[in-house]
This record gives sequence, structure tokens and C-alpha cells, in this order.
Amino acid sequence: EVQLVESGGGLVQPGGSLRLSCVASGFAFSTYSMNWVRQAPGKGLEWVSYISSSSDSIYYADSVKGRFTISRDNAKNSLYLQMSSLRDEDTAVYYCVRSVATATVFDSWGQGTLVTVSS
Amino acid sequence: DIQMTQSPSSLSASVGDRVTITCRASQTISIYLNWYQQKPGKAPKLLIYAASSLQSGVPSRFSGSGSGTDFSLTISSLQPEDFATYYCQQSYTTPTFGGGTKVEIK
Repeated sequence: EVQLVESGGGLVQPGGSLRLSCVASGFAFSTYSMNWVRQAPGKGLEWVSYISSSSDSIYYADSVKGRFTISRDNAKNSLYLQMSSLRDEDTAVYYCVRSVATATVFDSWGQGTLVTVSS
Repeated sequence: DIQMTQSPSSLSASVGDRVTITCRASQTISIYLNWYQQKPGKAPKLLIYAASSLQSGVPSRFSGSGSGTDFSLTISSLQPEDFATYYCQQSYTTPTFGGGTKVEIK
């Protein structure tokens, strides 16, 4: 069974930093592209970032470019999102999401971790 | 970015009803259109990919159609477990989602 378990969320002040982690199990993590997708409270879904299986392709939404960094450690079956210069509008549940092949079709999702940016 | 517009934003229906949700892209996306179901407090679940392909394990009462800019998701006979919010998403370019359609009990 595919499992994606996020951690690292919490309360952070505007301008602060936070690092999210996602541990994968139940599939060959090193062969899949991965993503972060977020959802502000009561709002819709927003794709945040993509990383290919070997980390040679990385993309970001314009809203986070230059502030967030996605990375992965295939030896640890782990995906990360380093978030800095956080803003109120970054408050959301952040989901770790697996892509089908190289496409951004999101076939498996973690349970999410809540990031709250507030003073 | 490609904008995705869903309609309606919400609807009320009864068990057994046929329900159709539409999604329009701001430019052509071929068949690079996916549908997700999200229940309160839960992560989204992939239902349909490539406009009309049913994800493994998803009941056959769900179906998708369309190409280019206009797409639809149909639930042939609404079941109690189908009351949820549905999102379309394009995977043609940088992924974007529609605003969601909440399906409520009449």
C-alpha cells in the first residue's frame, strides 16, 4: 500500500522558515516524480512544486519561486520542502503528492500537514 | 498559467440522481484533464485522468469526457459516499486546478 506521511508543519511568524518532510513507503520512491500541493483553509487546491525522480527537473509555482526549495533523498525515501520568507498567504495544509510517470497527474496523496503563518 | 473554470460551484442532489460537473480551460489542453474527489478533512483522491480514463478502484458510475477546452465529470447514479467536493486539474502545462464543485445532499 502506498503511504505518504508528512511532518514539520506548525505555527511560524511572517518572515520565518520551516522545513516540511514526507516519508514514502509501499512503492519504489526513487522511480517517481513528486510534488507539493497546498490548500488554504476553506479554499481550493494549489500546486506548489515538482521534482523529478532523479532531481534533474524542478519547478515551482510563481507564488513561491525564490522562497521555497524542493528536494529529495531517494536513499531515505523522503521528500522535503524548505520554506523561507513565509507570508500570511502561505497558511495552508501542505500535501505530499506522487505523480504518475512524468506527468503531473496526482495519483497518491499524503494526509497533509498544516502550516500557519501568523504573528 | 491556464485558468480552469468549474461550474456549478455547488449543487444539491438526491441519492440516485445523475450529476454532471463541467470544467472549462482558458486555452486548449487536449485531453490533459484530471478529476479529483475530496471529502471534508481528507486528502483529494484521483478519479479520472486523461479526461476519460477511470483510475483503478474507482466505481464505474464515475465517467469523464471532453477534449480541447471543455470537459465534464458525470456520476450516473449518486451514492451517499459521493457527497464531496470535486476538482478538475490540467496537466498540459504548469498544473492548475478548478475552483471546485461541492455536491451536497438535497
